[in-house]
Amino acid sequence: DVKVTQSSRYLVKRTGEKVFLECVQDMDHENMFWYRQDPGLGLRLIYFSYDVKMKEKGDIPEGYSVSREKKERFSLILESASTNQTSMYLCASSLGWTGNNQPQHFGDGTRLSIL
Amino acid sequence: DAKTTQPNSMESNEEEPVHLPCNHSTISGTDYIHWYRQLPSQGPEYVIHGLTSNVNNRMASLAIAEDRKSSTLILHRATLRDAAVYYCILRDPGNQFYFGTGTSLTVIP
Repeated sequence: DVKVTQSSRYLVKRTGEKVFLECVQDMDHENMFWYRQDPGLGLRLIYFSYDVKMKEKGDIPEGYSVSREKKERFSLILESASTNQTSMYLCASSLGWTGNNQPQHFGDGTRLSIL
Repeated sequence: DAKTTQPNSMESNEEEPVHLPCNHSTISGTDYIHWYRQLPSQGPEYVIHGLTSNVNNRMASLAIAEDRKSSTLILHRATLRDAAVYYCILRDPGNQFYFGTGTSLTVIP
């Protein structure tokens, strides 16, 4: 089975801190994604990557950056955390460019609180 | 961007079939219809997907309208483990998924 592992289930940080959320997948998938999930808003795409060192903005990239130095790892960075970035963050991966019918495989999420 | 519309919540009795509807009136010809579900405290998991024809797998069936403007996820016998939020999603050729807020399914014992 595909395994997508997020480094922390729960994380508490302070306003202004630089925050790193890590995600690792073990299935050699080309595509990786970061979403945030908020009540009443569903999942919203922050950034995605279809190859090493490649990144594309999603619907809500402001305040975030990403890093993909290795194929299996995709990091989400909050440069200067703010309270409105308190949320559940979900990482996903999928096979890439073999047609648009490949499912995404999700991690169990990181619940991030910014105080 | 193509979007989907689902009821906020539905209830079903245990061991009865469940039909979860989804409207996607602006779907394009190349959009696949995907369904995911999210159990409490977990990330979403893939359920089923299709393009034009009805699809069956061990988890569920997907019925797609002839004009593709709507679809229905069918759980043949609901169990308590099926209580989750179900998302109907369109995937565009650019590889992005568009999630809505989903349908929260309650299964009544």
